[in-house]
Formats: sequence, structure tokens, C-alpha cells
Amino acid sequence: DGGITQSPKYLFRKEGQNVTLSCEQNLNHDAMYWYRQDPGQGLRLIYYSQIVNDFQKGDIAEGYSVSREKKESFPLTVTSAQKNPTAFYLCASSIRVGSDEQFFGPGTRLTVL
Amino acid sequence: DQQVKQNSPSLSVQEGRISILNCDYTNSMFDYFLWYKKYPAEGPTFLISISSIKDKNEDGRFTVFLNKSAKHLSLHIVPSQPGDSAVYFCAASGAIAGKSTFGDGTTLTVKP
Repeated sequence: DGGITQSPKYLFRKEGQNVTLSCEQNLNHDAMYWYRQDPGQGLRLIYYSQIVNDFQKGDIAEGYSVSREKKESFPLTVTSAQKNPTAFYLCASSIRVGSDEQFFGPGTRLTVL
Repeated sequence: DQQVKQNSPSLSVQEGRISILNCDYTNSMFDYFLWYKKYPAEGPTFLISISSIKDKNEDGRFTVFLNKSAKHLSLHIVPSQPGDSAVYFCAASGAIAGKSTFGDGTTLTVKP
């Protein structure tokens, strides 16, 4: 059963703490992405990766970091430098960057207390 | 500067009628366009796409039209059903443009 999993579904963090969101895919896709969605807004790209050991900043990368050590995994760390981290975070993958549909995970809602 | 715009934040239609969702783009390097559907607290799911070499693509009740000269695309849903009520995102990408750029979405409500 192929797809993308994100964990946890809900995450609470105290201000000043780093937190890592998990994203795993078994679709054998080269490209993976992280988006942020705020209420009433669209999807804003945080980081994306075209291939293992490579990643690029998206439109709102400040305060976030990623790694791509394995093809299947693309974890996102929300650091204490991110000023407004409370949001809905979506991970996605595609065969390659460019002309392909993206498959999205179920999302993680992060709340900073 | 927003490269992909969905100017209507919301749309309400009666069940059985046509829903038309619009999207405009500015980057002429985009050559592949996609529509996604999203329910609350879930990830978007791919709905339909169109390449810039076509001006229409149809899949069941869903048809996407592309007007390259106007840099405009639209999604038609006929007939609309209550289960179609969701947020619809337009996205654009391409071999040169690279990664997809998403619009802000249009919330469609189909009333029974």
C-alpha cells in the first residue's frame, strides 16, 4: 500500500524548543517537499529535495531545516528561530520536480504553547 | 509577486449546476498545470492536469481549460455534487520553471 506518512498528526511544542516532523514515502519518488498552510491561505513551500543528499530552500525557509539522507525520508525541523511556527505542515512527493503531480501526506498540525 | 492567483476565495453553487473555478498565472515558463482538491485537516489530492500543448483535458465530471494567451485556466465541474465541497488549489510548474507554485485556493460549497 504505497503512500506518504506523516507523524505525528498533532504536535505541541513549548516556545524555544526545536521539533522534528517526520515524513516517509514508499512510492520510490525522487522529489520531496514541505509546505506550510495557515488558516485561509494557500500552500507555501518551505524546502524541497530533488534527490538524496540534496535540498533547496523554498519561499519561506527561514527558521526551518531539513535533511535527505534516504530516498524515503525527508524530516523537517522547526527551530526556535521560526517566529510563527503554529501551522498545518504538509509533506509531498513526486516522481521528479517539474511536470508531475504531487502526492501529499495527511499533514501535521503543530501548535506552539 | 504571486505567480499563480485564484482571485475568488469562495464559490457557492447549487447541486446539479456547473461549478467554474478560475486561475491566472504570470510566469510564461509554466507549461504544466494541475488542480488539487483538499478537505479540512487532510492533505490535497490530485484532481486533473493539463499540459501547455493542449487547451482542454477532460476526466469524467471534471474538465480543465487552458488559455495560454491569456495565461488563464479554469476547472469546470458538471454536474456539481455536495461531495465536491472542498478547497480547490490551482498549481503550475514546468520543466524549466521547476517546482510547482500553488494558488491560495478557492473554497467550493455545493448546496443540496
